[in-house]
Amino acid sequence: DQQVKQNSPSLSVQEGRISILNCDYTNSMFDYFLWYKKYPAEGPTFLISISSIKDKNEDGRFTVFLNKSAKHLSLHIVPSQPGDSAVYFCAASAYNAGKSTFGDGTTLTVKP
Amino acid sequence: NAGVTQTPKFQVLKTGQSMTLQCAQDMNHEYMSWYRQDPGMGLRLIHYSVGAGITDQGEVPNGYNVSRSTTEDFPLRLLSAAPSQTSVYFCASSYSASGAYEQYFGPGTRLTVT
Repeated sequence: DQQVKQNSPSLSVQEGRISILNCDYTNSMFDYFLWYKKYPAEGPTFLISISSIKDKNEDGRFTVFLNKSAKHLSLHIVPSQPGDSAVYFCAASAYNAGKSTFGDGTTLTVKP
Repeated sequence: NAGVTQTPKFQVLKTGQSMTLQCAQDMNHEYMSWYRQDPGMGLRLIHYSVGAGITDQGEVPNGYNVSRSTTEDFPLRLLSAAPSQTSVYFCASSYSASGAYEQYFGPGTRLTVT
């Protein structure tokens, strides 16, 4: 049973427009949610996170929204840039559980 | 700081061979972990460690061993390689195991088992 799901394997947007990446989870014990970005042949790098006591966190062009009742989070990128083209992973963890659970990723392509 | 380093970058093994994937971090991070990533899939946790001398199993531990004798190093051992272990392996570290802190990933080791 996959506890973290990213139902869209790919997303294509035009440069300058908004990119919205979605993530659903099933485990209500998760306390923290993180987004990572991955370029080919590199390791993932941290992008932005949110704790379960918040519903929004913003960092520059990146905003993460959390809807606990729906067990859903989304990452908004505004405006999208060609350099944002990468695979985006959603990850979730419970406090002090020692483990993070990752979704399968969404490949974002931003077209010039 | 070098961050998280992994060696080797690429490795080809024959079925039944054993090997150790090396991982080191210089950030004095308490928490370290190993993941594998198969094509079209996310990162699946193999083993993790919340501090020197403490390790635990993740989602897919079978066929792998780990040890954490120092804070810096967290090697992953493949006991008897199988084609199903062909994957890209990532080591990661984090300030703590609390989940609130991001993980820093190494560049990965691409392993092929024939």
